[in-house]
Amino acid sequence: DQQVKQNSPSLSVQEGRISILNCDYTNSMFDYFLWYKKYPAEGPTFLISISSIKDKNEDGRFTVFLNKSAKHLSLHIVPSQPGDSAVYFCAEGRQIYNQGGKLIFGQGTELSVKP
Amino acid sequence: DTAVSQTPKYLVTQMGNDKSIKCEQNLGHDTMYWYKQDSKKFLKIMFSYNNKELIINETVPNRFSPKSPDKAHLNLHINSLELGDSAVYFCASSPGTSGRIKTYEQYFGPGTRLTVT
Repeated sequence: DQQVKQNSPSLSVQEGRISILNCDYTNSMFDYFLWYKKYPAEGPTFLISISSIKDKNEDGRFTVFLNKSAKHLSLHIVPSQPGDSAVYFCAEGRQIYNQGGKLIFGQGTELSVKP
Repeated sequence: DTAVSQTPKYLVTQMGNDKSIKCEQNLGHDTMYWYKQDSKKFLKIMFSYNNKELIINETVPNRFSPKSPDKAHLNLHINSLELGDSAVYFCASSPGTSGRIKTYEQYFGPGTRLTVT
């Protein structure tokens, strides 16, 4: 029962163009959605987040859009750079009674930005 | 100066053995986590400790036992290793468990690749 889904295992984009990574979720009771970036042989690193009460959050080249009616969010990277090549994980942040905050990850999308 | 460190980075062992993975964070965070990334690349939480107290214990075989000697360390001991335990194990930390955004901006270690033969 996969609560956070990233249906595209990979994405290839030309340098300078826009990268759009997508994520779908099933549970409406969440606090935040976050995007993490992971390079090979390293741990994931936090990239950007969005609160459940917002529909857009922007940080430099990265913008996350949240569509609650469609239970869908997307990460836009503009312009894409070769250094953005990594695996991107979408994660739902949810407070669980007596357990504190919990992250539920999607399976990741591997982005390749070609020079 | 590494924020979250794990040792060892690679661990190859035979079925039935017992092994431990160590994790240390120097960020002053109250909460630490263990995650497992399986062969299909899913990253799933296993345990969470807040100030040395276990707060999240997912459906994990009781062969896995976390131990937190202090809030900067969270170790994972695995008894009677099985082939299906082969995975990458990540340790992470965050400032707290309040549900505010900082709870979810977790800092991950580099991972320990466990291979059981």
